[in-house]
Amino acid sequence: SQTIHQWPATLVQPVGSPLSLECTVEGTSNPNLYWYRQAAGRGLQLLFYSVGIGQISSEVPQNLSASRPQDRQFILSSKKLLLSDSGFYLCAWTEGQYSGANVLTFGAGSRLTVL
Amino acid sequence: GEDVEQSLFLSVREGDSSVINCTYTDSSSTYLYWYKQEPGAGLQLLTYIFSNMDMKQDQRLTVLLNKKDKHLSLRIADTQTGDSAIYFCAGAPNTGFQKLVFGTGTRLLVSP
Repeated sequence: SQTIHQWPATLVQPVGSPLSLECTVEGTSNPNLYWYRQAAGRGLQLLFYSVGIGQISSEVPQNLSASRPQDRQFILSSKKLLLSDSGFYLCAWTEGQYSGANVLTFGAGSRLTVL
Repeated sequence: GEDVEQSLFLSVREGDSSVINCTYTDSSSTYLYWYKQEPGAGLQLLTYIFSNMDMKQDQRLTVLLNKKDKHLSLRIADTQTGDSAIYFCAGAPNTGFQKLVFGTGTRLLVSP
């Protein structure tokens, strides 16, 4: 069966520090991978998605970047965090071949607080 | 692009039915989804409905879809305190790639 892991689960970082959140998926090949952000009291905003190694699409201009160095690994990064980067970050995946309902499956999330 | 709207809050008593509503703008969504988020956790898929269906029932959950009004609802029968969570509806506009657009979420509070 497929599983998705995110870490760290919780992170408190000072403004201006770097960030690296990691996500890995097991039990599948060539998944589509996503990073969403959930700000306090708001819905989910799609930040990045990837259909393959090295292929990253950005949905919104921002202070963050994403990379996919391996088929089942997706990393969210920043060189210098801003206060506004605080939030709950969710990694998700779908089957690579688009068919049927193609359900989006989420990781447990990483809570980032920037002070 | 797609816009999905939900009411922010719903409070019910244990044993009552809960109805969570959602409206969307893009009629090209082939599937519409309901997700549940418990405190501090990721989102868990509850159910989804194909756009050519009007209703789908899954145990205590009933999804109703009104395509004409672009309105989706989730009914939870015999609501339990364990159902307290945030519920998100989501659509997948026909962009050729699975990019879900989520509503703001409805926080359901079930009191004993």
